[in-house]
Parts: sequence; C-alpha cells; structure tokens
Amino acid sequence: NAGVTQTPKFQVLKTGQSMTLQCAQDMNHNSMYWYRQDPGMGLRLIYYSASEGTTDKGEVPNGYNVSRLNKREFSLRLESAAPSQTSVYFCATLPTIIYGYTFGSGTRLTVV
Amino acid sequence: GENVEQHPSTLSVQEGDSAVIKCTYSDSASNYFPWYKQELGKRPQLIIDIRSNVGEKKDQRIAVTLNKTAKHFSLHITETQPEDSAVYFCAASRGDYKLSFGAGTTVTVRA
Repeated sequence: NAGVTQTPKFQVLKTGQSMTLQCAQDMNHNSMYWYRQDPGMGLRLIYYSASEGTTDKGEVPNGYNVSRLNKREFSLRLESAAPSQTSVYFCATLPTIIYGYTFGSGTRLTVV
Repeated sequence: GENVEQHPSTLSVQEGDSAVIKCTYSDSASNYFPWYKQELGKRPQLIIDIRSNVGEKKDQRIAVTLNKTAKHFSLHITETQPEDSAVYFCAASRGDYKLSFGAGTTVTVRA
C-alpha cells in the first residue's frame, strides 16, 4: 500500500522544454489535486479533479494542463517550462473532506 | 475565493514552552480547518483538524481553537520538544473539496 506516489522526485528542465509529472494513488480516493509550494507562499492549488473524468482550475493554472487518466492517476503537464515554474509540486488525494488530504512525497522542479 | 492569512511567519521557542500560531480566513462559509506539519524535505502531514460546529479540539500536546464570529483559528503546542521544529500550515475549506492554505509558520524549538 504505497498511498500517493509521485514521479519523478527531482527534475531539471531548460526553459521551453516540456514534461509531465505523474501521480498515482492506490487508496481509491475520488478527488485528486496538484499544488505548488514556494517559499513564503504556502501551497497553492494548480488544478484539481473532484472525480474521474472531471478537472477544474485552481488558483494558479496558467502554464499547466492536467489529465485524469483514470481513478488512480492524475498527471500535470508543463508544455513550455519557464523559470517561474521552479517549485516543489505536490499531488494530494481526498476521500472526503472529513479526513483532509493525503500528500505525495513531492517533485522538486528546477527550470533554468 | 477563500483567503487564509497566517501569523507569525517564524516562531522560535525554548524547549518546554508553548507555541501559538494564528490564522484568519475570509469566507464565512468555510467549515473545515485542518493543520499540517511539514518537516524539512518531507510532505505535509495532517496533525489536527476542527470543524465549524466545534470550538476547541485537543490531541495530547496540540490543540486547535476556532472563533467563527471573528473568523480566526489557532494552533497551540504545549511543552514543545525539538521534534516539533517544522513548518506548520493552516488551511480552510468550504466543504467543496478544495483547501486554501496559509503561507506557513516556521517553528524552531531551542534546546
């Protein structure tokens, strides 16, 4: 039982390159989220998926796209990476609001 | 959308003393308020939460209080220990499956 698994853990991109961050959960949770964490700014919601087949924008969606491939997997894509996207990215899942989020271990992304 | 403000941004306490972190929220419809602890290089982990129908909740050395009228809630850590050193985040939700987080408080417990 791995919980929430994110890959990769670390990545360095050049400006303009693209990449996809992967998130998979084995907890049968309906809702999945992508957050970014920057110093002094807390965790900001990029996109979320309340259930399989649905996705919605969060607070900072510009420059990102997402895919809810199935109930288990929720990916985040950067089409043309920019230095402003240097951050730590966390995937999270939620069975219901009662229990709060379960976070993945994070992806540290640097765009140079 | 919901706006959550958290204070202070850094907090240094002597081991054994208490630590208090305060958060305010803007949306009166918010009804769920969790607190997360994040150790260096690790993921945030839920440590305690409170719902809008409860004024206070305790779990061993940590407690959370909620004042709905003033729209603020606080985390209290008593008898602090070195392992309490971490970044703490408050959050709020209207029950719409989204959490809005505060900016975080870095707590350092001095031996």
